[in-house]
Amino acid sequence: EDQVTQSPEALRLQEGESSSLNCSYTVSGLRGLFWYRQDPGKGPEFLFTLYSAGEEKEKERLKATLTKKESFLHITAPKPEDSATYLCPYSISSGSARQLTFGSGTQLTVLP
Amino acid sequence: NAGVTQTPKFRVLKTGQSMTLLCAQDMNHEYMYWYRQDPGMGLRLIHYSVGEGTTAKGEVPDGYNVSRLKKQNFLLGLESAAPSQTSVYFCASSFGPLERGVVLGTDTQYFGPGTRLTVL
Repeated sequence: EDQVTQSPEALRLQEGESSSLNCSYTVSGLRGLFWYRQDPGKGPEFLFTLYSAGEEKEKERLKATLTKKESFLHITAPKPEDSATYLCPYSISSGSARQLTFGSGTQLTVLP
Repeated sequence: NAGVTQTPKFRVLKTGQSMTLLCAQDMNHEYMYWYRQDPGMGLRLIHYSVGEGTTAKGEVPDGYNVSRLKKQNFLLGLESAAPSQTSVYFCASSFGPLERGVVLGTDTQYFGPGTRLTVL
């Protein structure tokens, strides 16, 4: 069964303490792996799309990487404003709708 | 550009009442989606549309209906609300498939701010 598992469920960091979030997936025919952040009471905000193993993308303190079984979101020297829930849904190649399948997310708290 | 907007932001219903949630996008996207988000379960797809006049079922379609009469709008209806439909509802949109020379990234979905629905 296709699925995505995110770990840890929750992570607390001190400001400036770098770390990584993990997204492990078992999917046949992966088309794309996406990263979103979601603030409380708001909709998911798009961060990155990764399409092939070895691909990397960066934005400010965030760097996303993709292997054949996992994706990592590396956070370098995080700030309190990076606190959010991070989601990594995927889409598959079959079908026309490019539907996203979500896991439960990782809740990140960055303490000042 | 406003992006994806949703109306209303909050709503409380009694069991058996009906209502319609409105989603609007101004990005000329072909594809639109309705998700629900429940604690500990992640977002789940309810219905989606691949173009004006089309709709299709997602993972959890029971108890909901949708319509896409205009390209920019996607409506989600609850005919007879049940407490199990208490949730936060998100609408999303994307360009769709790689046609007409559009480059990779067209399947990125952009989400609205959500509607928090409580059914008593």
